[in-house]
Amino acid sequence: EVQLLESGGDLVQPGGSLRLSCAASGFTFSNYAMSWVRQAPGKGLEWVSAVTASGSYTYYADSVKGRFTISRDNSKNTLYVQMSSLRVEDTAVYYCAKVRVPFSTAPFDYWGQGTLVTVSS
Amino acid sequence: DIQMTQSPSTLSASVGDRVTITCRASQSVSSWLAWYQQKPGKAPKLLIYEASNLESGVPSRFSGSGSGTEFTLTISSLQPDDSATYYCQQYNSYSGTFGQGTKVEI
Repeated sequence: EVQLLESGGDLVQPGGSLRLSCAASGFTFSNYAMSWVRQAPGKGLEWVSAVTASGSYTYYADSVKGRFTISRDNSKNTLYVQMSSLRVEDTAVYYCAKVRVPFSTAPFDYWGQGTLVTVSS
Repeated sequence: DIQMTQSPSTLSASVGDRVTITCRASQSVSSWLAWYQQKPGKAPKLLIYEASNLESGVPSRFSGSGSGTEFTLTISSLQPDDSATYYCQQYNSYSGTFGQGTKVEI
C-alpha cells in the first residue's frame, strides 16, 4: 500500500525557516517524480515544487522561487522541502504528492495527509 | 505560465442531475489535463487523467473530455457522495497549474 507521511509543519515567524519531510513507502520511490502542493486556509490548490525521480532537476512556482528548495533522499525514501524567508502568505497545508506514472510529470495519484505551516508573528 | 480557469465557481444541483464543469487553459496543454475531487479536510483524489481516462476505482458516472484549451468534467447522475470541490490541473510541464476549483453542492 502506497503511503506518504508528511511532517515538520509548525508555527513560525515571518522571515523564519522550516523544513518539511515526506516519508514514502509502498512503491519504488526512486522511480517517481514527486511534488509539493499547498492549500491556504479556505483556498484552492497551488502547485509549489517538483523534483525528478533522480533528484537531478527541480522546478518551482514563481511564488516560492529563491526561497524554497526541494530535495529527496532516495536511500531513505524521503522527500524534503526547505522553506526560508517565510511570509504570512505561505501559511497553508502542504501536501506531498506522487506522480501516477514513473518518470512522468503528473498527475498525482497519491497524496499525503498534509502538514500545516502557519507563518505568523 | 499557463493559467487555468474553471467555471462555474459554485454549482448547486440535485441527486440524479447531469453536471458539467468547464476548465479552460490560457494556452494549449494538448491532453495533459487531470481532474481531482477534494472533500473538506481531505487530500485531493485523482478522478481523470489525460483529459478523458478514468482512474482505477473511480465510478463510471465521472467522465472527461476535451483537448487543447477547453476541457469538461461530467457527472452523469449526481450522487450525494459527489458533494465536493473539483479541480482541474494541467501538466504540460512540471509546473502543474491548478484551476481555482468548482464547489458542487447537492
